[in-house]
Amino acid sequence: ETGVTQSPTHLIKTRGQQVTLRCSSQSGHNTVSWYQQALGQGPQFIFQYYREEENGRGNFPPRFSGLQFPNYSSELNVNALELDDSALYLCASSPQPTVRNYGYTFGSGTRLTVV
Amino acid sequence: KQEVTQIPAALSVPEGENLVLNCSFTDSAIYNLQWFRQDPGKGLTSLLLIQSSQREQTSGRLNASLDKSSGRSTLYIAASQPGDSATYLCAVMGSGGSNYKLTFGKGTLLTVNP
Repeated sequence: ETGVTQSPTHLIKTRGQQVTLRCSSQSGHNTVSWYQQALGQGPQFIFQYYREEENGRGNFPPRFSGLQFPNYSSELNVNALELDDSALYLCASSPQPTVRNYGYTFGSGTRLTVV
Repeated sequence: KQEVTQIPAALSVPEGENLVLNCSFTDSAIYNLQWFRQDPGKGLTSLLLIQSSQREQTSGRLNASLDKSSGRSTLYIAASQPGDSATYLCAVMGSGGSNYKLTFGKGTLLTVNP
């Protein structure tokens, strides 16, 4: 089975621009979560999608938005990029409703640098 | 609000040594606790997951314990090897909401010297 795949692996954007990051969930996983990991920090929960709807959000402003598609893949969109948005963005998938038993599978991440 | 703390922040040991990494959390209302490994600039690899009803889990040279009532977990690594060098993160899945989000610690940076 394939794992969680993210694209692109690296990205450089200018402050004020918009960016879209993509994630394909592991086969059989219908829930996708996004996390932001700043340098030297633990990942922070951004939001989660289940059945194409957002069903939980962390402490991130509305300029962070997302989508989930019928095949369970997902996008993270960030508008009006700020320097502090520079981070590793991680996607994780899980098989609801058994996520409590099996936890999450993470992708390799997208390294975003805002200059 | 759930907070997760990992001690120590960094650890350097000679090859072959047994070691313990510590994780503490403030809210005992959790479904599970998961230990991850992260190589520099890479994603997270799940090592062990302990259900809230369990006391420990083992995989190879790794053993993780959980004491939910005291809000503590330890990851024991036996006979450490240079290939074990990485950052180790623990994360708890809270049971207070419906989205099963993970709350992470900042990690322990482990260096195993040959």
